[in-house]
Order: sequence, then C-alpha cells, then structure tokens
Amino acid sequence: AQTVTQSQPEMSVQEAETVTLSCTYDTSESDYYLFWYKQPPSRQMILVIRQEAYKQQNATENRFSVNFQKAAKSFSLKISDSQLGDAAMYFCAYSSEEKLTFGTGTRLTIIP
Amino acid sequence: GAVVSQHPSRVICKSGTSVKIECRSLDFQATTMFWYRQFPKKSLMLMATSNEGSKATYEQGVEKDKFLINHASLTLSTLTVTSAHPEDSSFYICSASLFRWGQQQETQYFGPGTRLLVL
Repeated sequence: AQTVTQSQPEMSVQEAETVTLSCTYDTSESDYYLFWYKQPPSRQMILVIRQEAYKQQNATENRFSVNFQKAAKSFSLKISDSQLGDAAMYFCAYSSEEKLTFGTGTRLTIIP
Repeated sequence: GAVVSQHPSRVICKSGTSVKIECRSLDFQATTMFWYRQFPKKSLMLMATSNEGSKATYEQGVEKDKFLINHASLTLSTLTVTSAHPEDSSFYICSASLFRWGQQQETQYFGPGTRLLVL
C-alpha cells in the first residue's frame, strides 16, 4: 500500500519569506500523480499544485513550486513571498488510480 | 472552473435519525465522486468511491449499510448516514474527479464539507 509522510506537523514563516514543506511517499508504481492541497480555516480543500511522475520538470504555479525527486520519493512544496492568506493546513497527496492517499498534514503559520 | 458544492454545510440531528448530504459538480460532469471523513486536526479518510450508475465501492471498515451512497447522475452524489449516532459526528467532504485534456489522470476537486453533529 502507498504511504505518504509529512514529517513537519507545524511550520511558521515570516511574511514575504520563503518556506519549504516536506513530503515523502512510498510506492512500487512507476506512473502516478502527486498533489499539494491547502485547507484553510474554512476547511475547504483547495488544490495548490500537481505533478505527474513521468515529468522530470518540476511543477510551478505562481508563488508555489515543487521539488520532485522521483528516485528519492520526495515531493516538497516551496512557497515564495509568503502571504497571510497562505496560512492553512497543507496536505501532500499521492494518486495512482484515482484514489488519493493523504499525508497527515503540516500546519503553516504566517508571522506578520 | 471545477466547482463542487455540498449541502447542507452544517446539520444537527437526533440520534437514530437519517441524514442526507448532497455533493454536486457545478460546472463539469464527474463519473467518479469520493466521500471522505475528517476528524478534528486529522487528515482525510476515504470512505467510498462513487461511480455514476453503479454501486459504490467502500473502503475497508466502512459500513455500507450505515453510509448509503447514491450517484444517480453525472453531477450529483448523495451520502445518507442512516440511524445516526453521536460517534458519526464528523466533518464529511466529497470530491469529484475531473479529467482535463492533456492529462493522463483525473484531479479531484473538493466540496466545502458538511459538519454533522448527532445529539
């Protein structure tokens, strides 16, 4: 079974600074997708970024980018120029055949 | 695009009653929807996969007679918690899969969730 590990239960960053959230996963599959979802206090799950495993190029969405290391099974999220609205719970997720397996989440606090 | 709604957003019911939660994909059709449960400060736990026109597939440990799922159309799935008890109190979230052209796999888009409190 696939597992997703987020080793940082909590992180904090100064506003306008950069922060990196870690995620590792375990799978025997070669074709899969990885996601970062954000859950703010409203509890709405919001897709932040996705990465196809067959693509070597790291995905980027505005201030959000990933460092995908397939051999190491690592998928970290970098948030640049952190904003107050980035404060949320961040979940890393793995998908092979539609089903998502989530990590335990990292709570990100933005310090004004 | 890819908006998913849930109704109701919050419901309080008495023990022994049944509660129905609706999940709708508003601007796309979803052959597959998913139902999750989330406990406070925990991650999402997949309960079942709902496929339009067929029976839902339940995860191990989830009672199919307790949590009835119906996916009657490409934009609507419902979760009915039957004979609810206080231990069923939780946050229930649905998602709908969208397959975008050029991608090899669907992406799940989530509804805003339903908070259920059983007294």
